[in-house]
Amino acid sequence: DSGVTQTPKHLITATGQRVTLRCSPRSGDLSVYWYQQSLDQGLQFLIQYYNGEERAKGNILERFSAQQFPDLHSELNLSSLELGDSALYFCASSARRGTDTQYFGPGTRLTVL
Amino acid sequence: GQNIDQPTEMTATEGAIVQINCTYQTSGFNGLFWYQQHAGEAPTFLSYNVLDGLEEKGRFSSFLSRSKGYSYLLLKELQMKDSASYLCAVRGSGGSYIPTFGRGTSLIVHP
Repeated sequence: DSGVTQTPKHLITATGQRVTLRCSPRSGDLSVYWYQQSLDQGLQFLIQYYNGEERAKGNILERFSAQQFPDLHSELNLSSLELGDSALYFCASSARRGTDTQYFGPGTRLTVL
Repeated sequence: GQNIDQPTEMTATEGAIVQINCTYQTSGFNGLFWYQQHAGEAPTFLSYNVLDGLEEKGRFSSFLSRSKGYSYLLLKELQMKDSASYLCAVRGSGGSYIPTFGRGTSLIVHP
């Protein structure tokens, strides 16, 4: 158990819908990262937040957005969902801005029908 | 940008030793990670190398050669539970320090 929690574990929805994934980092960690993992793409970095502020952006679509709240939990919002958005979404946390090891949560498996 | 190359799949026998290689090309270098990931589960941190040489941690060891852009993960006394994907991730020297992950090597351990 890494200490990073994610909810929900599974999510099934339809195309065009909007969903919110939630992540709580390890106690004391200030950085949160979101990754998408699909069978044909491997682990793709989406976005990083540090202490409430956006720190780095990766291959995140405009339909996706995220935020980190004062209690340091983070949410990833996915809208206008498409079939290709079906994937495992992982949250990871680290102590500081990015120079530390990332510890991953159990993931949310999103299925878009 | 960063380019990371790992074999797609490897098989080995229980009790044996296996070496999983990772080669990389990066703009700057600020560390290399190995993670283990069982199917459908979270990646679990195994090791971190930033200097050349071998880091040993129980049955697992990781080696780095920065001049060659090369690392390997060595797994000894293989157990069935070691069947998993092994991800190599390299951190460049850009301001965000976000590691780039390879596609992973799927290791199958058979009796």
